[in-house]
Amino acid sequence: DAKTTQPPSMDCAEGRAANLPCNHSTISGNEYVYWYRQIHSQGPQYIIHGLKNNETNEMASLIITEDRKSSTLILPHATLRDTAVYYCIVPFYNQGGKLIFGQGTELSVKP
Amino acid sequence: DGGITQSPKYLFRKEGQNVTLSCEQNLNHDAMYWYRQDPGQGLRLIYYSQIVNDFQKGDIAEGYSVSREKKESFPLTVTSAQKNPTAFYLCASSRTGVGYTFGSGTRLTVV
Repeated sequence: DAKTTQPPSMDCAEGRAANLPCNHSTISGNEYVYWYRQIHSQGPQYIIHGLKNNETNEMASLIITEDRKSSTLILPHATLRDTAVYYCIVPFYNQGGKLIFGQGTELSVKP
Repeated sequence: DGGITQSPKYLFRKEGQNVTLSCEQNLNHDAMYWYRQDPGQGLRLIYYSQIVNDFQKGDIAEGYSVSREKKESFPLTVTSAQKNPTAFYLCASSRTGVGYTFGSGTRLTVV
């Protein structure tokens, strides 16, 4: 089973910030949280990852709670091209680093 | 540029035939993974390999086989034992839990 849970769907107005939550209550101290997105019928695209500190790159920001049991991916100014399924994943480091995907959050950005 | 290449992009197979999907990476990654995705569903792990000449079954390995004779290559064979092979297949690689990269996928259709 996946180590994370996410809401199945969310809507966001174009130009507004999209905040996608993720719960990972069983995460261990040295396990990273990864975020990917998948646009229809393409390979997943890397967005960002983090351990305990908040992270920011050109695509998004990642806020991780102090207890590390949850995180939020922030797309600061969502565009129609950000419509996709977003996956929050914690690897199984003791099993070859395999990624077990949950259902993700389907984000719809609306004009 | 380093990356991961899947070929072919589209593949058609007659019922009862085996077919092999190619996955090649030049990222010097140790670990490689195969996933299957059905329409409207998330990714499910078929097989993964941490090192050359070693691989493990994922959640849905029945009807599939793999080999890992070279670090760069992790081909997937869809055998005639796979009852519902029509799907989108994705290959990925990582430095065992770090820096995951996905291919662009192969869409297999049984005709």
